[in-house]
Amino acid sequence: KQEVTQIPAALSVPEGENLVLNCSFTDSAIYNLQWFRQDPGKGLTSLLLIQSSQREQTSGRLNASLDKSSGRSTLYIAASQPGDSATYLCAGKGGYNKLIFGAGTRLAVHP
Amino acid sequence: DTGVSQDPRHKITKRGQNVTFRCDPISEHNRLYWYRQTLGQGPEFLTYFQNEAQLEKSRLLSDRFSAERPKGSFSTLEIQRTEQGDSAMYLCASLGRRHTGELFFGEGSRLTVL
Repeated sequence: KQEVTQIPAALSVPEGENLVLNCSFTDSAIYNLQWFRQDPGKGLTSLLLIQSSQREQTSGRLNASLDKSSGRSTLYIAASQPGDSATYLCAGKGGYNKLIFGAGTRLAVHP
Repeated sequence: DTGVSQDPRHKITKRGQNVTFRCDPISEHNRLYWYRQTLGQGPEFLTYFQNEAQLEKSRLLSDRFSAERPKGSFSTLEIQRTEQGDSAMYLCASLGRRHTGELFFGEGSRLTVL
């Protein structure tokens, strides 16, 4: 059974810092891994999708890596801004394209 | 707006009442998912449709819950005899045939059971 864990659960940083959010999964037979952003009371916005055959994906200030052998993914946020404050969720995809989510990392970036 | 649409966005009901949520997926997306999210947790899988066929149901989906997708387009999730423990955000997501595997989520329907 796939289990996804995210560390840290919460993070508070000053504006401008580079951040690393961690995600680990127990079943290396994932189809792909997806990172999402969720603002309070809102739905999920897809940030990056990494296929199982890929090692990383980049979008603007975001970079996500995937290491299936170790069961880890990281989301790197460069030069953080207050607008980055949100909860970041990672999810591994297994059968039927079903996503298994971690509990998320709550990020607060203060000016 | 061609994204996933959910209605209503918020529902407050008394315990014991029935509620129904609707999800309109991205046009021509043949796969549709329902998830439930409680405060401080990640979304948990409830059920999955491919076209009109319901192919998988989580054990979280008790017999008070029923989901349908009668014409392979929109879907409904009904909760009968609501309980306070049903209070959560109900999220819908869709995926197309020519897909990269990326799921697209709606804004969710928040249920509060008093």
